[in-house]
Amino acid sequence: RKEVEQDPGPFNVPEGATVAFNCTYSNSASQSFFWYRQDCRKEPKLLMSVYSSGNEDGRFTAQLNRASQYISLLIRDSKLSDSATYLCVVNGAAGANNLFFGTGTRLTVIP
Amino acid sequence: DAGVIQSPRHEVTEMGQEVTLRCKPISGHDYLFWYRQTMMRGLELLIYFNNNVPIDDSGMPEDRFSAKMPNASFSTLKIQPSEPRDSAVYFCASSPGQEWTEAFFGQGTRLTVV
Repeated sequence: RKEVEQDPGPFNVPEGATVAFNCTYSNSASQSFFWYRQDCRKEPKLLMSVYSSGNEDGRFTAQLNRASQYISLLIRDSKLSDSATYLCVVNGAAGANNLFFGTGTRLTVIP
Repeated sequence: DAGVIQSPRHEVTEMGQEVTLRCKPISGHDYLFWYRQTMMRGLELLIYFNNNVPIDDSGMPEDRFSAKMPNASFSTLKIQPSEPRDSAVYFCASSPGQEWTEAFFGQGTRLTVV
């Protein structure tokens, strides 16, 4: 079983739409959670960390459900520049620094 | 800081040849990771180092793959002999090490084995 599972998409949404991505993780000992963004033919870059209480950064909201081992990312008022692949990331265990990546969800925002 | 530096950016080699990928992490970062990315499997963690010591190499696909970190500023990933199924983008990343800190990626090496 893979450490992190994501719906690969693609998600094609119009500008201004709200879109949500979900992922599940298999290791209940994981303690650190992140969303990374990867543009075509580029390296992944951190978008935001995901905290237990949920957190927001502008148009982006991340949520964590430890009981269900489920992480979500909500993007409001989508922009063309949001088109990218979004990677769900968890660490291997408490205190561990190895990061496991989902295969990513591809988002295309259409004018 | 220039960020994580990988070389070469592109490598095309013939099956059976040895391939060496290089990485210079960000100065002061204690952790270094090697990842492989393919369309089918996404980003796979191959191995990671803490203070130049390999911590977990369970993701290394087979004995043809080896990685070293002789000092804090340099790491190599070697494939010998290379096979067409090794074709992928190989990323190196480094991290300061605290649990919630970001991993910074290099631009990757696109390897094609023909």
